[in-house]
Amino acid sequence: QSVLTQPPSVSAAPGQKVTISCSGSSSNIGNNYVSWYQQLPGTAPKLLIYDNNKRPSGIPDRFSGSKSGTSATLGITGLQTGDEADYYCGTWDSSLSAGRVVFGGGTKLTVL
Amino acid sequence: QVQLQESGPGLVKPSETLSLTCAVSGYSISSGYYWGWIRQPPGKGLEWIGSIYHSGSTYYNPSLKSRVTISVDTSKNQFSLKLSSVTAADTAVYYCARQDIAAAGTPYFDYWGQGTLVTVSS
Repeated sequence: QSVLTQPPSVSAAPGQKVTISCSGSSSNIGNNYVSWYQQLPGTAPKLLIYDNNKRPSGIPDRFSGSKSGTSATLGITGLQTGDEADYYCGTWDSSLSAGRVVFGGGTKLTVL
Repeated sequence: QVQLQESGPGLVKPSETLSLTCAVSGYSISSGYYWGWIRQPPGKGLEWIGSIYHSGSTYYNPSLKSRVTISVDTSKNQFSLKLSSVTAADTAVYYCARQDIAAAGTPYFDYWGQGTLVTVSS
């Protein structure tokens, strides 16, 4: 069971907007920054967002990130069929005696 | 462009030690950054295993710490993973990645290898 909770799946039509939530606690999201990753079928994860809302070079501004309290959200506008993928949030967690990097369970995006 | 490539046996017997190497090109490990290992069991999510700095400083996932060793060889520009006493639960795609540090010290992974499937079976 993942420390960070994501919905198993979301769907929307091409051209529409979708949001993916990532819920945590004060031990992780509440006191740390969040990153988001896109994993296309059969490929390695790719960094989409870091520092809650910053995009690496080459990531289109259709992708956005935000954080409020102990939750974070990934937004994707102008959906394309090529956006169909699994999306993961990640952060640092300090609930155990030693900290660790943690990821959400992943959300499968279907573009109808 | 930073590139990472995992290599190692695709099949490991139960109770033995899994060993993987990650070769880095396009960037010198000695120049900085942490370097990490992440795994993904078939059909499941991501699990961080541990990370190493170019100086050799390491930190591991507490749930795996007793079985994990990560080392770095700056002369070959590569770093390695050893996971001992493996079981079927360790079957996964293993990724190596470059780890950057965000504001307030939160790590994230900006470059990933393609991953390598390791199956634990007799």
